[in-house]
Amino acid sequence: AQTVTQSQPEMSVQEAETVTLSCTYDTSESDYYLFWYKQPPSRQMILVIRQEAYKQQNATENRFSVNFQKAAKSFSLKISDSQLGDAAMYFCASVLTYGNKLVFGAGTILRVKS
Amino acid sequence: DAGVIQSPRHEVTEMGQEVTLRCKPISGHDYLFWYRQTMMRGLELLIYFNNNVPIDDSGMPEDRFSAKMPNASFSTLKIQPSEPRDSAVYFCASSSGTGLTTKTQYFGPGTRLLVL
Repeated sequence: AQTVTQSQPEMSVQEAETVTLSCTYDTSESDYYLFWYKQPPSRQMILVIRQEAYKQQNATENRFSVNFQKAAKSFSLKISDSQLGDAAMYFCASVLTYGNKLVFGAGTILRVKS
Repeated sequence: DAGVIQSPRHEVTEMGQEVTLRCKPISGHDYLFWYRQTMMRGLELLIYFNNNVPIDDSGMPEDRFSAKMPNASFSTLKIQPSEPRDSAVYFCASSSGTGLTTKTQYFGPGTRLLVL
């Protein structure tokens, strides 16, 4: 069975600084996808970034990048130049290539200080 | 594309009443998912469809919950009778089984349900 663990219930970052959110996962499969979703106070679930497990290159989307360590089963999210609008709950999630169930972590609340 | 559309956005009802939540997936997506989010249990997958056919409903809490997908552009989640413990945010999501964004689920804005 797949599991996703986010060990940081809450993080804080100063505006314009960089913050890293941690995520580890466990699966016996070798083919899967990993995601970070952002949920602001509006409750909308917004896709931040995705990573295919077969790709060694870390995904990047503007100020968001991941550090994907397949052997360690780690998938952390780095947010550079943090902005007030980045304040939200962030969820790490995974799905098997040959499956469809998205498994979520418990989430990390990110607070951005001005 | 308009994204996943859900209605209503908010629903307040009394215990025992029937509640129907609606979802329109992204055009061309062949998978549709229903989730429930609560503080206590986080995000839970209730059921998902592929090409309008229910594939896995193991997350549906009990017989009071039912879901249908009569065509590729519409799905409903019904609760009858509703109970206070059903109060939650219900999300619909859709994804494509092929293409560059395969397996990526795109979520609707959610329906916030309050059962009094």
